[in-house]
Amino acid sequence: DAGVIQSPRHEVTEMGQEVTLRCKPISGHDYLFWYRQTMMRGLELLIYFNNNVPIDDSGMPEDRFSAKMPNASFSTLKIQPSEPRDSAVYFCASSFYYNEQFFGPGTRLTVL
Amino acid sequence: GENVEQHPSTLSVQEGDSAVIKCTYSDSASNYFPWYKQELGKGPQLIIDIRSNVGEKKDQRIAVTLNKTAKHFSLHITETQPEDSAVYFCAASTSGGFKTIFGAGTRLFVKA
Repeated sequence: DAGVIQSPRHEVTEMGQEVTLRCKPISGHDYLFWYRQTMMRGLELLIYFNNNVPIDDSGMPEDRFSAKMPNASFSTLKIQPSEPRDSAVYFCASSFYYNEQFFGPGTRLTVL
Repeated sequence: GENVEQHPSTLSVQEGDSAVIKCTYSDSASNYFPWYKQELGKGPQLIIDIRSNVGEKKDQRIAVTLNKTAKHFSLHITETQPEDSAVYFCAASTSGGFKTIFGAGTRLFVKA
């Protein structure tokens, strides 16, 4: 298996633009997580899904952030409109039930 | 909510020496404690984990101990090697939930 796949790996955009981050979890995993990593706040859980259904989105910072999982092999995290303080590395992770979370390589987002 | 504190933030050791990283957690309901290693430009990778029904777990040069009464858990790396240099994160989560809370991380330098 190729592991968790994220795209793009790097994204540079201007304030106010819409940003969409993509994730393909490991086949057979039923949980998917979105994290954000910054120097100031460390690694924060934004939202997680079970069987494509959002379970806990209490970590989503604002209404500008939204996440979807239309099927078991694809998820998106969207920021609209983006702001400079959204600059961070965003990780997607997946797991099978109550087991190890496998992280993707991350998307480094820079909002100018 | 759960809070995980991790110390030290930076640790420098000589190759062959041992390294110890300590964490405390606040939620007595937490019962799963994974440790992740993050290399530059990559996502965190699980290196060892422990559940609350176990006091100690070892995997080759890596061991983790858990003191539920004191709400402390620690990572021990023996015979350190330069390739152990990375950022290490402790984390805690509760049974039935996947809301993993991460510590702030420890940057480990192993000098050859």
